[in-house]
Amino acid sequence: EAQVTQNPRYLITVTGKKLTVTCSQNMNHEYMSWYRQDPGLGLRQIYYSMNVEVTDKGDVPEGYKVSRKEKRNFPLILESPSPNQTSLYFCASSLYQGDNSPLHFGNGTRLTVT
Amino acid sequence: QKEVEQNSGPLSVPEGAIASLNCTYSDRGSQSFFWYRQYSGKSPELIMSIYSNGDKEDGRFTAQLNKASQYVSLLIRDSQPSDSATYLCAVKNPNTGKLIFGQGTTLQVKP
Repeated sequence: EAQVTQNPRYLITVTGKKLTVTCSQNMNHEYMSWYRQDPGLGLRQIYYSMNVEVTDKGDVPEGYKVSRKEKRNFPLILESPSPNQTSLYFCASSLYQGDNSPLHFGNGTRLTVT
Repeated sequence: QKEVEQNSGPLSVPEGAIASLNCTYSDRGSQSFFWYRQYSGKSPELIMSIYSNGDKEDGRFTAQLNKASQYVSLLIRDSQPSDSATYLCAVKNPNTGKLIFGQGTTLQVKP
């Protein structure tokens, strides 16, 4: 089944403890992206990657890191999480970043930082 | 002005009625438009895409695009309680290829 898989689905952590949220897609998509979703703010892009070893900042990249060493994987790294990073996170992918390529979303990761 | 604007709602319709969801966008050069449905706490799910002016139908869903007026709409015929969700309009930026989302419209279908 074609899908975007995120793990974990739920994560509770404390301020400053490094964490990684994994994302993997099995559709051979070139483009991958991370979003966070907060009430009243909608979906905001954190980072994106147009292909292996190519990543770029989205609208809200502060406090996050990403890597794209393989085409299928695009982990999101929080080196020193803070409470304002408590949010619902989505990984998404598309065949390419071209006009007609829709985004496919993972199931989401709900992160709580205390 | 926001790049993609939607009325947050909630839009309440009775079961069996037509629900009409609207979206306007600011970049006149945009070419690709998408509607996603999102149930509470779940991920956005693509339900329609449209690229040309006019209507595109898929089952109970019809997407309408008017590039001259810079709006895109989604009609849901024979609305069901299971259609109750937030509907996100997304427009692809023609320069960056980035998908820009509206805030979403919450639809409530009452039995």
